[in-house]
Amino acid sequence: SQQGEEDPQALSIQEGENATMNCSYKTSINNLQWYRQNSGRGLVHLILIRSNEREKHSGRLRVTLDTSKKSSSLLITASRAADTASYFCATDDGAQKLVFGQGTRLTINP
Amino acid sequence: ETGVTQTPRHLVMGMTNKKSLKCEQHLGHNAMYWYKQSAKKPLELMFVYSLEERVENNSVPSRFSPECPNSSHLFLHLHTLQPEDSALYLCASSQEAWASEGLAGGELFFGEGSRLTVL
Repeated sequence: SQQGEEDPQALSIQEGENATMNCSYKTSINNLQWYRQNSGRGLVHLILIRSNEREKHSGRLRVTLDTSKKSSSLLITASRAADTASYFCATDDGAQKLVFGQGTRLTINP
Repeated sequence: ETGVTQTPRHLVMGMTNKKSLKCEQHLGHNAMYWYKQSAKKPLELMFVYSLEERVENNSVPSRFSPECPNSSHLFLHLHTLQPEDSALYLCASSQEAWASEGLAGGELFFGEGSRLTVL
């Protein structure tokens, strides 16, 4: 089944640096979404980018989508300790459900 | 107050017990979902309900039995579970069941999860 695969699986950076996570998927999509999950908690929706969009911003978040490469990236600028979490991409192929990847575990060191 | 509330947050049960997980959404959404999150695995979709009708059942063992009495409440009844069923069970809701073009964004709103341990 179609599944977003995040890369890297884990990322550790210093506070203030930028963090970039990537997501690749297999088939055509209607939209791609990014979610954040703090340890042991539920997922929180961050941003949705549609297949006809190339870039989207929300605060310190920037998401890009390259449908020709079937990939997306999530950039968090000026990272903070509170950004420590796991980040998941989810793809919607219009066939009834969102499919999540395994996530990138991001650690921001003070 | 979170839009999606799950209870209990933690549950420990033996393999012969019967228990239930409860989910309530206060967002006026039409669709509700159960997901299972195990360590080092992607989120697994278990069940989808749209307007109280089950529209997706991803080959889930019968020891998991969902119930959706109305569009705001969703239950997951558990019976004779196995230790490998230990996981975080997440409930979610969305405006409509199918996230597709033209609908309201298609984002999912998750509860905080119920951490289940089967002994």
